Parts: sequence; C-alpha cells; structure tokens
Amino acid sequence: EVQLLESGGGLVQPGGSLRLSCAASGLTLSTSGMTWVRQAPGKGLEWVSSISSSSDNTYYADSVKGRFTISRDHSESTLYLQMNSLRAEDTAVYYCAKRAGGVAAIEWGQGTLVTVSS
Amino acid sequence: QTVVTQEPSFSVSPGGTVTLTCGLTSGSVSHSHYPSWYQQAPGQPPRTLISATNSRSSGVSNRFSGSILGNKAALTITGAQADDESDYYCLLYTSSGIWMFGGGTKLTVL
Repeated sequence: EVQLLESGGGLVQPGGSLRLSCAASGLTLSTSGMTWVRQAPGKGLEWVSSISSSSDNTYYADSVKGRFTISRDHSESTLYLQMNSLRAEDTAVYYCAKRAGGVAAIEWGQGTLVTVSS
Repeated sequence: QTVVTQEPSFSVSPGGTVTLTCGLTSGSVSHSHYPSWYQQAPGQPPRTLISATNSRSSGVSNRFSGSILGNKAALTITGAQADDESDYYCLLYTSSGIWMFGGGTKLTVL
C-alpha cells in the first residue's frame, strides 16, 4: 500500500522560504514519478510541479516557475518542494501525489498547510 | 492560454444518473490528454476515481465510469447516492509535462 506523508508546512512571511517534505512508503521513489498539487482556501486544485520517474526531468506551473524546485532523495524515500520568494497567493494546502505516466496524480497524501502572511 | 472547463455545479436525484464533463477552451479532449477524475469531500484530500480516461482506481465503485464524449472527457455516475455529494475535478495533461485541473464541479444529490 502506498503511503505519502507531507510535512514542513507552517506560517512564513512574504518573501520567505520553506521546504516541504513528502515521506513515501510502499513504492520505490527512485523509479516513481511524483507530483505536488496545491489548494488555496476555498478554491480548486492547482497542479504545481512534477518530476519524472527515472530521468529526473522536472516540470512547473507558470505560477511557481523560477521560485519552486522539486527534488527527491532516493535513499530517504523523500520528495521535496523547495519554495522561495513566497507570496500571499502561495497560501494553500500542498499535497504530494504519486504519478503514473501521463496521469499526474494517482495516490495522494493528506496535505500540509502553508500560510504566507506578515 | 487554454483553460480546462467543468460545469460549476450539477444536481442529481438519488438513484439517478449524471454525466460531468471536462473540456478545453481551445481544442478537443482526447485519450492523449490522459483525463483523470478526482472526488473531494470537504476537509479531505482528493480521491482518485478514474485515470487515463476510463481506468477505475482500486476500490472505486463501478457506478463511476469515464469516457470521451464528443470533444470532452466525461465522468458518469449511475445510481447516485447521498455520499456522492462532493466536489469533482478533472485533470488533463496538456503538453510538455504540463498538467491542468478544471475548476471543479460541485455535485448535489437531492
């Protein structure tokens, strides 16, 4: 059974940085594509970023390109999302998800809340 | 820029059938967009119902089915039940590793 557990969310000031983690079990992270999705309070889902299974190609939504970086640590079975230059509009619950080929999200974590506010 | 479209809201009677759609403001949805459907109850993470047009996720009732209808992806729910009342989102692969969600459909069962 795939289990994904996000952590690292919290309150951060505008312009600040935060690194989210997603601990994965029940899958081999080194051969699994992964995705981050976010949901602002009261809003819909927004695809944020994906990483391919083995080639480590990375992809970003225009809204975060140049500010966010997706990466993974194979040995720790952990996916990361480094978020820099945070803005109020980045406030959201961030979910990590297992990707399957052209499907960005198959299995989901429970999410972690990021609040960007002064 | 192309946007993924969904009905903002839909209503179905208990026991009835409803079809939610997922389109593009420019062009047609096809299997190459790997359309996926997600159900989200309030305060819960999304749950994957359908992936790659019509592949039902493990544990998902066969009352849920996916297809391509005309130029859109479609999610059909048969025998609607009270606990089907949720938000439903579609997700499309657009190009070059970019995905887009639709705005979601709020389904009411009454």
